[in-house]
Amino acid sequence: GAVVSQHPSWVICKSGTSVKIECRSLDFQATTMFWYRQFPKQSLMLMATSNEGSKATYEQGVEKDKFLINHASLTLSTLTVTSAHPEDSSFYICSARDQPGQPNQPQHFGDGTRLSIL
Amino acid sequence: AQSVTQPDIHITVSEGASLELRCNYSYGATPYLFWYVQSPGQGLQLLLKYFSGDTLVQGIKGFEAEFKRSQSSFNLRKPSVHWSDAAEYFCAVVLRASGTYKYIFGTGTRLKVLA
Repeated sequence: GAVVSQHPSWVICKSGTSVKIECRSLDFQATTMFWYRQFPKQSLMLMATSNEGSKATYEQGVEKDKFLINHASLTLSTLTVTSAHPEDSSFYICSARDQPGQPNQPQHFGDGTRLSIL
Repeated sequence: AQSVTQPDIHITVSEGASLELRCNYSYGATPYLFWYVQSPGQGLQLLLKYFSGDTLVQGIKGFEAEFKRSQSSFNLRKPSVHWSDAAEYFCAVVLRASGTYKYIFGTGTRLKVLA
């Protein structure tokens, strides 16, 4: 089955640093990947849609300069949290769909990255 | 606007008991509906999906869900719950926006299983 790998699974860093999270589709090509943020005991909030070879589409209220998304290949998308602060601490999850034009096809999720900013 | 509602934030059942998790959607056309399960600190695993055809769909781990258009519902069921089913469950509907298909998630239902 379709597998999405996310790395790192957990990162702790100091306030003011930038953190990069990788999302890879291991056995399929993903022209579209999605980045979510999940606060404790809450649902997933879509941050942005990552499109291979073009700019990401950000949801309303998400700072594109704060959360940089790069989708340079069909199997890799990265999310960089720039100048991270404690309020950016959260659980970040990526997903990908192996058939983006088919709405009945499910998204495949990575295992998430827990980001803690001290 | 399209939305998904999971009325129950927490549900507790005894092991071996039956389970029903509720999901209601608001969507103009025939929806594409999914149920996912999330174990603590992990990503989401697909349980089942519905987009057309038989309104009773079977999924993994013994789960099933029934689509009822008249009630705008897609409730998840399991006849006998196992302790390993304790997790967070999310219902999602697909929304087409900005040229792509995105999920709208419900708020989730946290399942606790008593031994």
